[in-house]
Amino acid sequence: GAVVSQHPSRVICKSGTSVKIECRSLDFQATTMFWYRQFPKQSLMLMATSNEGSKATYEQGVEKDKFLINHASLTLSTLTVTSAHPEDSSFYICSATSHQDRNTEAFFGQGTRLTVV
Amino acid sequence: GEDVEQSLFLSVREGDSSVINCTYTDSSSTYLYWYKQEPGAGLQLLTYIFSNMDMKQDQRLTVLLNKKDKHLSLRIADTQTGDSAIYFCAETFDRGSTLGRLYFGRGTQLTVWP
Repeated sequence: GAVVSQHPSRVICKSGTSVKIECRSLDFQATTMFWYRQFPKQSLMLMATSNEGSKATYEQGVEKDKFLINHASLTLSTLTVTSAHPEDSSFYICSATSHQDRNTEAFFGQGTRLTVV
Repeated sequence: GEDVEQSLFLSVREGDSSVINCTYTDSSSTYLYWYKQEPGAGLQLLTYIFSNMDMKQDQRLTVLLNKKDKHLSLRIADTQTGDSAIYFCAETFDRGSTLGRLYFGRGTQLTVWP
């Protein structure tokens, strides 16, 4: 299957700083990317949907100024957690789909464990 | 809405079969998926079933779909200790621009005892 690479896999940052997470589709063009957040022992909650070249669509309750999403190319989307606080500590996962293949699968990155201290 | 429910825990002995159950509420779902997540890792697609199918088998995995009851199950034959993980049921809908967006259950923690 297609490969989605997410980087970094783990990051620890100080409260008040910003952290950027990258999501790359390695062998296909990802017209749409999704950013999920997973709390311990919880399900994945969609944060936002980004389409290449346009502004991301955020889910209700997700602060767009805090979680900046950029999808500038068909192979890269970034999520920047701005002015991070301990409550932002979580597991963030991206997934990517291609409109060339409407059939079956969203491909997931490996996830990023963010710890804000 | 798109509520997906799963039981949270399942324990089985190595070599036995495991059955993980999932229920959903929206009958317009298009594809239903099973993902596996090992500790600290991302999601690995195990299998999926299109909503007009009743059953799909792939080696040790069997997926059963009962559309009338909105019930999906994943059976793992000859369960091994390496199957210990969290299993997520998910659904998607083929409508408009939300294609590819998945709605997940909370996950079932499968523990396999030797």
